[in-house]
Amino acid sequence: NAGVTQTPKFRILKIGQSMTLQCTQDMNHNYMYWYRQDPGMGLKLIYYSVGAGITDKGEVPNGYNVSRSTTEDFPLRLELAAPSQTSVYFCASVREVQETQYFGPGTRLLVL
Amino acid sequence: LAKTTQPISMDSYEGQEVNITCSHNNIATNDYITWYQQFPSQGPRFIIQGYKTKVTNEVASLFIPADRKSSTLSLPRVSLSDTAVYYCLVGGVNSGYALNFGKGTSLLVTP
Repeated sequence: NAGVTQTPKFRILKIGQSMTLQCTQDMNHNYMYWYRQDPGMGLKLIYYSVGAGITDKGEVPNGYNVSRSTTEDFPLRLELAAPSQTSVYFCASVREVQETQYFGPGTRLLVL
Repeated sequence: LAKTTQPISMDSYEGQEVNITCSHNNIATNDYITWYQQFPSQGPRFIIQGYKTKVTNEVASLFIPADRKSSTLSLPRVSLSDTAVYYCLVGGVNSGYALNFGKGTSLLVTP
């Protein structure tokens, strides 16, 4: 089991560029989550999914989009990168909502 | 989803027991309480989970009073490597699927 994998590990974007952060889990988990963590701060929920084809907004969804076409993959899309989106992005998955979340290693994004 | 409140930071010396309390006044009947640990540049990792009374594993204990409106994570004899941020998360099947982390408690262990 690889668990939760994220790519890339690090990326520098110019303002206005777009990119997709990839997240894959091989544990057949129903629920997947995207969080962002700014320096010295806690995690903020961006989007989550309760299964293939179903997604919903979290606390800070503006500027992001997601899709969930398969159980395994939950990509996060930034359409027009802004400096405020400079952060570390974590993907997580869980089998059932009351159980343990498993986190990926994170993607560090710098928007200049 | 139940809102949680934790101290922003705590300090301890090596070898001491550390207790971190989390308040969750509007916890729902079916909610579980889960604690995570996060080191810099890493994702959070599971420490312990409980529903009521006391739970103990190889790294920590979790104390939950009868009214379940708070919980206390107890770390016995901390070492320098326990310096991290600790998050309390409350959720369950009837509280929605959005799992929101609070600000966490930053624990600093010194020699």
